[in-house]
Parts: sequence; C-alpha cells; structure tokens
Amino acid sequence: QQQVKQSPQSLIVQKGGISIINCAYENTAFDYFPWYQQFPGKGPALLIAIRPDVSEKKEGRFTISFNKSAKQFSLHIMDSQPGDSATYFCAASAMSSSNTGKLIFGQGTTLQVKP
Amino acid sequence: DTAVSQTPKYLVTQMGNDKSIKCEQNLGHDTMYWYKQDSKKFLKIMFSYNNKELIINETVPNRFSPKSPDKAHLNLHINSLELGDSAVYFCASSQARGTYGYTFGSGTRLTVV
Repeated sequence: QQQVKQSPQSLIVQKGGISIINCAYENTAFDYFPWYQQFPGKGPALLIAIRPDVSEKKEGRFTISFNKSAKQFSLHIMDSQPGDSATYFCAASAMSSSNTGKLIFGQGTTLQVKP
Repeated sequence: DTAVSQTPKYLVTQMGNDKSIKCEQNLGHDTMYWYKQDSKKFLKIMFSYNNKELIINETVPNRFSPKSPDKAHLNLHINSLELGDSAVYFCASSQARGTYGYTFGSGTRLTVV
C-alpha cells in the first residue's frame, strides 16, 4: 500500500527525443505527486509536482500526466537534452490525511540522453 | 548561502565506531528529514522532526538516533557502525510538512570498513 513503483529502471534517449517515465501507486490516500531530479554527487531536487485535481501539468519541457482512476502518473521530457541526463524519482505523499509530510519514493530511473 | 548543508560530505570509518552527521537549513522551514539512499539509489525515510518534535520514526535500528536542537538543525548519530550502514544519507527540509516539496542537502557518503 505504501509503495510507489517506477519504471523503467534505465532509459536511453537520443537528443531531441521524448523521455517517458512511469509510476504507479496503490494508496488512494496519496494526494501529492512530485518528481525529483538527481545528478551524481548531489541531492534530489524538486522538478515538478501535481495534485490529483488536475490531469496534466506542464513546466517548460517537463510534463506530468496523471490518471487518478488507474493510479498512475508519468513524467514526459520533451526535446530531451544531454544536460537532462540524471536519475529521476517519482514520489507520493498523503498530504491531506497525514500530518507528517512523509514522501514515499519510487525506485528511480537513470536517464541517459545521447548527443 | 547554501540552503541545506550537511557535514561531513564523506565519512569513512571502521566497524563498531560511533559517528555523527550534522545538518543545517537556512530556509526557515519547520520540518526536517533524514533519508537513506542505498547502493541501488533507493531513497527511504528514516526520521522527521517538526519544530523539534519527532514526527516520523521509521523502522530503523536504535543505533541511529536523531537530535534536533532547534528547527534549523537536525543531526544524526550512529552507534556501533556496521558494514550495512554504508550508504548516502540525505538531510532535507520543508515548510508546512512538505506541502511545497522538500529541499535536500548534497548528502553524506558513509563508508564503513
């Protein structure tokens, strides 16, 4: 119930292509879904987040698609660039029903964008 | 002007030793966290403090003890270190218990030999 399952584990995309990372969850109490980007030797950094009252959120080249009925959400990176090469984590939290703000992370996806 | 700073960045120590990792945030956030990232990069929460009060205490060996002297600091003390404790430990902070996302530090890579 507390898990967030992320796929694929690794992804190789050509420069200019679209990178797609998928996540699925079971706990229907989850109501906050952020994505984090981590470069080697650095901590994860918040990239974009969505709440279940919308089905899509776009910020620049990054888009989250959210399917509440399927309990799935995904990150799309348009026009992928070599500088996007990093590890991406989806996460989920039950903001409304929990007073702790605990984030449950997916297993991570290592993205390599080839020039 | 680093937002969440951890020290040390690297820590190499022998089994059985006791060590501490310090974390400070200057963002004015009210909640701080410790996460452990294993060799497969999986991030798992360990502890969380809100205004110096412990609010999350996951299933972590009691050799690990967090301490929050004030809401800007959260330290992690580890007793009797074991090989399996080798990992990267991240401190993070948030406002309003994570409503606006976490800010992570750059991590402390702990190697137990």
